Amino acid sequence: AQTVTQSQPEMSVQEAETVTLSCTYDTSESDYYLFWYKQPPSRQMILVIRQEAYKQQNATENRFSVNFQKAAKSFSLKISDSQLGDAAMYFCAYRSLRELLVGAGSYQLTFGKGTKLSVIP
Amino acid sequence: EADIYQTPRYLVIGTGKKITLECSQTMGHDKMYWYQQDPGMELHLIHYSYGVNSTEKGDLSSESTVSRIRTEHFPLTLESARPSHTSQYLCASSESRTSGRVSGANVLTFGAGSRLTVL
Repeated sequence: AQTVTQSQPEMSVQEAETVTLSCTYDTSESDYYLFWYKQPPSRQMILVIRQEAYKQQNATENRFSVNFQKAAKSFSLKISDSQLGDAAMYFCAYRSLRELLVGAGSYQLTFGKGTKLSVIP
Repeated sequence: EADIYQTPRYLVIGTGKKITLECSQTMGHDKMYWYQQDPGMELHLIHYSYGVNSTEKGDLSSESTVSRIRTEHFPLTLESARPSHTSQYLCASSESRTSGRVSGANVLTFGAGSRLTVL
């Protein structure tokens, strides 16, 4: 079974600075998707960014980018020019493609325990 | 506006009561999910559905049950609530892309959650 580990329960960053959230995962598969989701306090969880393991190029979405190291099974999230609205729980998630590609299996995500990010004005 | 709605947002009830957490989405998504999220811990999938009359149990064993009679509606029921059921329950749905590699990119849209406290 796959596992996702977020080793930083809490992080803080000064407004306008850059912060990196760590995520490692354990899998024996070579084909999968990785996601970062953001959960603001008392609000809906939303997608931040996603990465297909098949692609070597790191995904970017405006101020958010990832450092995907497939061999090391690492998928860190970098937030540049941090804003107060970035304060939230951030969850790293994994989805296997192996079973999907043969038309079986579920679309479920395996989540890490989350990192609580605080932004200091 | 297309979205996913959960009610109630907060519920405090006594042990032994029957409760139903409602989840509805207006996006026409075929796939819907229920996750349980305890404070400071990761989300665990407890139920999922890939369409009307289709429901499956997730990785985390749960005493709750679900039904999918209509595409847009995926309620979760606890017949007899206990303090161990105290948690936050998140409902989600996902895009209905074609099968294969591109389906792996399906993004989950989450509701705001239902926080249940059983006394």
